[in-house]
Amino acid sequence: EAGVTQSPTHLIKTRGQQATLRCSPISGHTSVYWYQQALGLGLQFLLWYDEGEERNRGNFPPRFSGRQFPNYSSELNVNALELEDSALYLCASSLRGVDYGYTFGSGTRLTVV
Amino acid sequence: QKEVEQNSGPLSVPEGAIASLNCTYSDRGSQSFFWYRQYSGKSPELIMSIYSNGDKEDGRFTAQLNKASQYVSLLIRDSQPSDSATYLCAGASGGSYIPTFGRGTSLIVHP
Repeated sequence: EAGVTQSPTHLIKTRGQQATLRCSPISGHTSVYWYQQALGLGLQFLLWYDEGEERNRGNFPPRFSGRQFPNYSSELNVNALELEDSALYLCASSLRGVDYGYTFGSGTRLTVV
Repeated sequence: QKEVEQNSGPLSVPEGAIASLNCTYSDRGSQSFFWYRQYSGKSPELIMSIYSNGDKEDGRFTAQLNKASQYVSLLIRDSQPSDSATYLCAGASGGSYIPTFGRGTSLIVHP
């Protein structure tokens, strides 16, 4: 069974540009979650998508947005990049429900210069 | 503000010993708890989940939950150098579905 796949693995952008990160969940998982993990910090929840809808978002500015496609894959867009957006962005998928843990992808390392 | 607290460590144990990792949480509505292992430079991997008070064993791992004390722990028996990683504790309530993660405890198992 294929795991959660993320692309690209690494991304280097200039301040003010836009970044697009992609994620494909495990087959059968309808929920996709996005997290930011900055160096030395914990996992910060960004967005949750389920069945094509945004279900919840964390305490991040609106320039962090995304969407989920009919095949449950998802993309995260970060507009007007700032230096502090440099971090590991993790996508996770699960079945919907509080009792299900996450399967994480390998992440996208975003560097803003 | 829902919080999950973990000692950042590092917790250093000799090979073959029992490693004990602890976590406390503030949200009394939390009903599901998870332990993830994260190797340096890698993504977290789910290793245990627990929903009821008491112990849950899986191989060398035992998760313990005490809802009255709002306390979760992970015991690793016969620790191996390959267990050296950061262990993240997370708790989720039925209200939001989004687990709150602790910042993790770094475990070092030395030969």
